[in-house]
Amino acid sequence: DIVMTQSPDSLAVSLGERATINCKSSQSVLYSSNNKNYLTWYQQKPGQPPKLLIYWASTRESGVPDRFSGSGSGTDFTLTISSLQAEDVAVYYCQQYYSNPFTFGQGTRLEIK
Amino acid sequence: QVQLQESGPGLVKPSQTLSLTCTVSGGSISRANYYWSWIRQPAGKGLQWIGRIFTSGTTDYNPSLKSRVTISVDTSNNQFSLKLSSVTAADTAVYYCARGDFGKIPFGNWGQGTLVTVSS
Repeated sequence: DIVMTQSPDSLAVSLGERATINCKSSQSVLYSSNNKNYLTWYQQKPGQPPKLLIYWASTRESGVPDRFSGSGSGTDFTLTISSLQAEDVAVYYCQQYYSNPFTFGQGTRLEIK
Repeated sequence: QVQLQESGPGLVKPSQTLSLTCTVSGGSISRANYYWSWIRQPAGKGLQWIGRIFTSGTTDYNPSLKSRVTISVDTSNNQFSLKLSSVTAADTAVYYCARGDFGKIPFGNWGQGTLVTVSS
């Protein structure tokens, strides 16, 4: 199984400041035939299902605010929220879909400082 | 906009079989390039992918659960289903169904989730 490890486990950021969450995979999730990283980011608020933010490591899903961005390739990835808003308080997960079983990171809890 | 809704018993006894159905609305479950997954989340914990099915009937299961899992599709009713046998308390979780777009987005649309508790 590909193990996904996120850091930090929790993060407190002031409103309007930048938040950065890291995700590392135990092996590369870069699919060489199309040069796509099979890595997604999700946001989950209490009592709700996860919501897709980013796929292919850096492609923003339709309707997701542009303050959310994804970067990285191979085994190291980052989710950045450029200017934290109150509604961004949530748990964030990275997930690989390069190989079976699809696996998730343990989650990063983002709070307001 | 496609919508997914899980349904099934909220309480299952240990050693029995957990059975859930996901009803898809706003789009055909038979549409090409899509697949349909089950994911679960124990209270306060992370997410675990259980498996997926294509409308061709092809399935992929998480090896950690493969011996106990069956996912099937009913195209006439626009539904797909999960059966998990020999359940224990460790299978207590919120179970989600989700739609994937092959090679692009693994879980783009989610149901609201349904809590299944395993207890006698």
